[in-house]
Amino acid sequence: DVKVTQSSRYLVKRTGEKVFLECVQDMDHENMFWYRQDPGLGLRLIYFSYDVKMKEKGDIPEGYSVSREKKERFSLILESASTNQTSMYLCASSVAGYGYTFGSGTRLTVV
Amino acid sequence: KNQVEQSPQSLIILEGKNCTLQCNYTVSPFSNLRWYKQDTGRGPVSLTIMTFSENTKSNGRYTATLDADTKQSSLHITASQLSDSASYICVVSETSTGGGNKLTFGTGTQLKVEL
Repeated sequence: DVKVTQSSRYLVKRTGEKVFLECVQDMDHENMFWYRQDPGLGLRLIYFSYDVKMKEKGDIPEGYSVSREKKERFSLILESASTNQTSMYLCASSVAGYGYTFGSGTRLTVV
Repeated sequence: KNQVEQSPQSLIILEGKNCTLQCNYTVSPFSNLRWYKQDTGRGPVSLTIMTFSENTKSNGRYTATLDADTKQSSLHITASQLSDSASYICVVSETSTGGGNKLTFGTGTQLKVEL
């Protein structure tokens, strides 16, 4: 089974801090994604990547950046965390748009 | 605009009973439709995935149906168990070029199974 691992389950950060959310997958998938999930809004795509060093903006990229230096690792960066970025963050990976696998999620609270 | 609407928003049933969750979508061009189960505080886990030519797919006590003409899908849960309590999310994939299909997520149906 594909495993997608997110480094933290729960995270509390202060407003203005730089925050790194890490995601690692172990099945050599080309595609990796970062979503955030908020009550009543479902999952919304922040950024995705189809290859190493390649990234594309999703639906809500403002306030976020990403890094993909290695195929198995996709990092989400909050340059200056704000309270409206308090959310559940989910990483996913897939091959050829099929068989998405999600990580367990990181619940980030910005105070 | 591509949309996925799920109903009901929440549902409470007694253990052992059956239930059906609905998903209507307007995503085009359609690639596939997936149902995910998401336990509280966890990531979504795939239950079924159906392409245009498939109209039913089962995974244990979960059976999904797809009517591509009316753009409707349902997830039927048979003989519910307490562990079925979760959010069920319908996700529709849009065919796109350049790899990596675009997904549109429903907001989910929150199911609670009680004794």
